[in-house]
Amino acid sequence: GQQVMQIPQYQHVQEGEDFTTYCNSSTTLSNIQWYKQRPGGHPVFLIQLVKSGEVKKQKRLTFQFGEAKKNSSLHITATQTTDVGTYFCAGPGKGGSQGNLIFGKGTKLSVKP
Amino acid sequence: ETGVTQTPRHLVMGMTNKKSLKCEQHLGHNAMYWYKQSAKKPLELMFVYSLEERVENNSVPSRFSPECPNSSHLFLHLHTLQPEDSALYLCASSQTPDSGANVLTFGAGSRLTVL
Repeated sequence: GQQVMQIPQYQHVQEGEDFTTYCNSSTTLSNIQWYKQRPGGHPVFLIQLVKSGEVKKQKRLTFQFGEAKKNSSLHITATQTTDVGTYFCAGPGKGGSQGNLIFGKGTKLSVKP
Repeated sequence: ETGVTQTPRHLVMGMTNKKSLKCEQHLGHNAMYWYKQSAKKPLELMFVYSLEERVENNSVPSRFSPECPNSSHLFLHLHTLQPEDSALYLCASSQTPDSGANVLTFGAGSRLTVL
C-alpha cells in the first residue's frame, strides 16, 4: 500500500547546529504537508507544498518539495531548544479517499543546549 | 487553545468498561476526524466525517464506535477494549475533507490506558 517514509527517526543536535529531515513517498503526491508535535503535545500544521520543486521558508525553517513530487525535506538552520519535537510529513491518501492523510513516522529532534 | 477541544484528556478503563471520548471544534469546519497515535507507529486515521456523514472508516474494530451529531461535535464510543488499544486519540477538523487540500487542526488528544 501507499507509504510515506521519513528519515532519520531520531536526531540529536547541539544547539546552533543545522537539522534536516527527509520524507519519501511511494507514489506521486498532489501536495505534502508538514506538522510539528512538541513533547506531550499534539501535531500542529506548519506548511503545505503543492508545486513541483517548490521551496518555502519560515524564519529558520526551509521546506522543499521534490521535482517529481515524491519527496520533501525540512531543514532547520541554527537549531534552538524551542525546535525540540517530532516533525511529521503527510500526503494525501491514494484513490482520492476523502480526508485520508498518510503520515510518516516522524523525526524526533532533540537539541542539547 | 487550538479551537478543537477534547475531553477527557486522560482516561483509564478496564476491558469491560464503556466510555466515550468527546471532541468539539469552534472553527466552523465541515469535516472532523479521529486519529490514533501509538508509540512507534505513524498517526493512523480511524474515521472521517464530512457534514455529519461518515465518509471514511479505515477498517477499525467495532469496539470503536464514532458518532457525529452535528458539524461541531464528534464522539468516539469505546467498549470492551484491549490493552493494545492504549494510545493517544487525536481529534482533528478541517475546512473540507478534500484529500487534496485538507489542512488539519488537531485537538490536544485523549490519552487512553486500557488495563
